Amino acid sequence: ETGVTQSPTHLIKTRGQQVTLRCSSQSGHNTVSWYQQALGQGPQFIFQYYREEENGRGNFPPRFSGLQFPNYSSELNVNALELDDSALYLCASSSGILQETQYFGPGTRLLVL
Amino acid sequence: GENVEQHPSTLSVQEGDSAVIKCTYSDSASNYFPWYKQELGKRPQLIIDIRSNVGEKKDQRIAVTLNKTAKHFSLHITETQPEDSAVYFCAATGSGGYQKVTFGTGTKLQVIP
Repeated sequence: ETGVTQSPTHLIKTRGQQVTLRCSSQSGHNTVSWYQQALGQGPQFIFQYYREEENGRGNFPPRFSGLQFPNYSSELNVNALELDDSALYLCASSSGILQETQYFGPGTRLLVL
Repeated sequence: GENVEQHPSTLSVQEGDSAVIKCTYSDSASNYFPWYKQELGKRPQLIIDIRSNVGEKKDQRIAVTLNKTAKHFSLHITETQPEDSAVYFCAATGSGGYQKVTFGTGTKLQVIP
């Protein structure tokens, strides 16, 4: 198993609420990427954080936002939750931003009712 | 943006046979191609990766080939075992100064004992 951890493991929210998901990167890694994986699909890139700055973003609306802290852990925040936000949220850490292997955490399964 | 197509979506093989999964990508600047195995309810785990300056890479029963001209890459698993049963994702890292990893749609591999 990788050293990447995520919390919580499961979460149930209602439409319109806000949620914060957390990720601790593997020791020595300064880059965290977040992905959304809907059931039966591949992970979709949300955004990447490198040295506390957003370093790239996929096709997700602004209500998806994030932070990276000095210890390189990261948060994903989703505002105004919609039913379609129900998915497995994965974070992955790596030691850089170019051609670096990404190691995934176990994910947070979010259900929006 | 990058688009990754993966085939087949499902694959059943007899134990001991070989399995081949194929992917194509659209961004000619992509330079890093990891393959992930995801068991039900678990995180994606890197099984092998290849960089654009290499045409083939092998690790025991697993091999990956890359054809940059044709923009396709393939995963080969020999002597399949029941524990190889999982969903396999190919991925490509595109250009842009950050590591946006685009995943394929996945192949569900079933190894029949």
